[in-house]
Amino acid sequence: KAGVTQTPRYLIKTRGQQVTLSCSPISGHRSVSWYQQTPGQGLQFLFEYFSETQRNKGNFPGRFSGRQFSNSRSEMNVSTLELGDSALYLCASSWATLAGVLDEQYFGPGTRLTVT
Amino acid sequence: GIQVEQSPPDLILQEGANSTLRCNFSDSVNNLQWFHQNPWGQLINLFYIPSGTKQNGRLSATTVATERYSLLYISSSQTTDSGVYFCAVEEDGQNFVFGPGTRLSVLP
Repeated sequence: KAGVTQTPRYLIKTRGQQVTLSCSPISGHRSVSWYQQTPGQGLQFLFEYFSETQRNKGNFPGRFSGRQFSNSRSEMNVSTLELGDSALYLCASSWATLAGVLDEQYFGPGTRLTVT
Repeated sequence: GIQVEQSPPDLILQEGANSTLRCNFSDSVNNLQWFHQNPWGQLINLFYIPSGTKQNGRLSATTVATERYSLLYISSSQTTDSGVYFCAVEEDGQNFVFGPGTRLSVLP
């Protein structure tokens, strides 16, 4: 089975721009979660999608948004980029249930975003 | 929300040594995972272990859910074991909360 894939792997953007990152989960997994990793804050939860619905959201400003498509692929968008948005963005997929129970998570290789 | 602590924060070993990494969490959890993050940032699944003991080669893990801790054992460490080890716990089906990690350096 193919693993979780993320594109692009590296990205350089300028302050004020917006960016869209993509994640394709493991086949059959319906839950996709996004995390931000920075040296100062560690790994922080952004949001989780299940069957095209955002079920959970972390403590991030509204500039961070996402969506999930019917094939479970997910995108996250960051608008009006700030220097502090420079981070490794990781996507994880899991075989979650409709009731919200998260099974084992599998991570993609990440997208490293640099904002200048 | 749930708090996750890991110890030690840093660990330096000689190749061949054994080590124990600890993860403490502040509330009951449904799920717990251990990951190894390699130098390229990839998080590699080690164990999915909400309770009990599991072994995989030189690695093993034990979670005592009633006492809110988990241990990761690495035996006969190799230089390829270097990296950051994270513990993550599931908080009420909402999301996984990660600990700060233990940075392991294995010297040849």
